Amino acid sequence: DVKVTQSSRYLVKRTGEKVFLECVQDMDHENMFWYRQDPGLGLRLIYFSYDVKMKEKGDIPEGYSVSREKKERFSLILESASTNQTSMYLCASSLTGGTGRNTIYFGEGSWLTVV
Amino acid sequence: SQQGEEDPQALSIQEGENATMNCSYKTSINNLQWYRQNSGRGLVHLILIRSNEREKHSGRLRVTLDTSKKSSSLLITASRAADTASYFCASQKGSNYKLTFGKGTLLTVNP
Repeated sequence: DVKVTQSSRYLVKRTGEKVFLECVQDMDHENMFWYRQDPGLGLRLIYFSYDVKMKEKGDIPEGYSVSREKKERFSLILESASTNQTSMYLCASSLTGGTGRNTIYFGEGSWLTVV
Repeated sequence: SQQGEEDPQALSIQEGENATMNCSYKTSINNLQWYRQNSGRGLVHLILIRSNEREKHSGRLRVTLDTSKKSSSLLITASRAADTASYFCASQKGSNYKLTFGKGTLLTVNP
């Protein structure tokens, strides 16, 4: 089975701190994604990556950056955490191309509270 | 950007009943997918229907797609208490591998 692992399940950080959320997938997927999920707003895409060192902005990239130095690892960085970034963050991965290969596999989520 | 919208936002039924959730989207799509999320957990893929398909089945799940109306429905038959979860539709456009999610339907199945 595909496994997407998010390193931290629950984090509490202070305003202004730099925060790293790490995600690793074990199925050699080309694509990796970071979403945030908020009540009433559903899932919103922050960034995605379709290859090592490649990244593309999603719908809400402001205040975030990402890093993909290895195929299996995709990191989300909050350069200076703010209280409005308190949310659940979901990492996901998928294969590229081909009919029926577009299923996205999600990690269990990281609950971030910024105080 | 396109966005799926599910309705109803919340649905409460008795065990054994069928549950129907609907989803609408705004632009042409490559495929539409349904995901399930248990409280506080990640999303799990349920079923994918391509734009040239009209209906698809998987176990107790039945998904329909009407591209002329830009809508899809998810039917769960003979529901169980374990089906209690949030259900999301997600649309995928062209060769872009991003998914755009709706806000979800919270299904509660009462024993």
